[in-house]
Amino acid sequence: AQKVTQAQTEISVVEKEDVTLDCVYETRDTTYYLFWYKQPPSGELVFLIRRNSFDEQNEISGRYSWNFQKSTSSFNFTITASQVVDSAVYFCALSDTGANSKLTFGKGITLSVRP
Amino acid sequence: EPEVTQTPSHQVTQMGQEVILRCVPISNHLYFYWYRQILGQKVEFLVSFYNNEISEKSEIFDDQFSVERPDGSNFTLKIRSTKLEDSAMYFCASSEIRNSPLHFGNGTRLTVT
Repeated sequence: AQKVTQAQTEISVVEKEDVTLDCVYETRDTTYYLFWYKQPPSGELVFLIRRNSFDEQNEISGRYSWNFQKSTSSFNFTITASQVVDSAVYFCALSDTGANSKLTFGKGITLSVRP
Repeated sequence: EPEVTQTPSHQVTQMGQEVILRCVPISNHLYFYWYRQILGQKVEFLVSFYNNEISEKSEIFDDQFSVERPDGSNFTLKIRSTKLEDSAMYFCASSEIRNSPLHFGNGTRLTVT
């Protein structure tokens, strides 16, 4: 069975601080995909990134960066120089490579960025 | 950019009533999903739909639930006899191919009183 653990439940930072959101996953599959989604206060789910299990290269997109480490089954997300608009719930998710590719979500991390 | 649209944004219904939640997936997408998020909790998979049939469903998706793609554009979730515990945000999602990112709609908040 697949499982995603986001041990942090709430994080509060002051604007311009860097913050790292942790994600640890469990799967028996050798091929899988990892995702991060953002859920702002308005409620929608916004796709941020997808990573496949064969690609351990870290990725940077503006102020966002992701660190995938297969050895520790982690896929952590760092926001550099956080802004108030980053305040949201962030979900890490895992999909298998089965016919349906359904996502298993973690419980989410509520990030509050204070001015 | 194309998006998944869901209607209504908020539905209030009485226990025991039937509700239909509607979704228009992105037009060239082939895989369709419904997910549910009870307030303050994680997002849970309900059902996936491909090639005009259910491809997988979760334990939550019992006989009270059904999905349909009545035409080439709409994708609906029906709850036959709602219960208080069905109150949640329901998200529709679609993806172009297997394992491509899911694009979610803005959700329908269902409140059962």
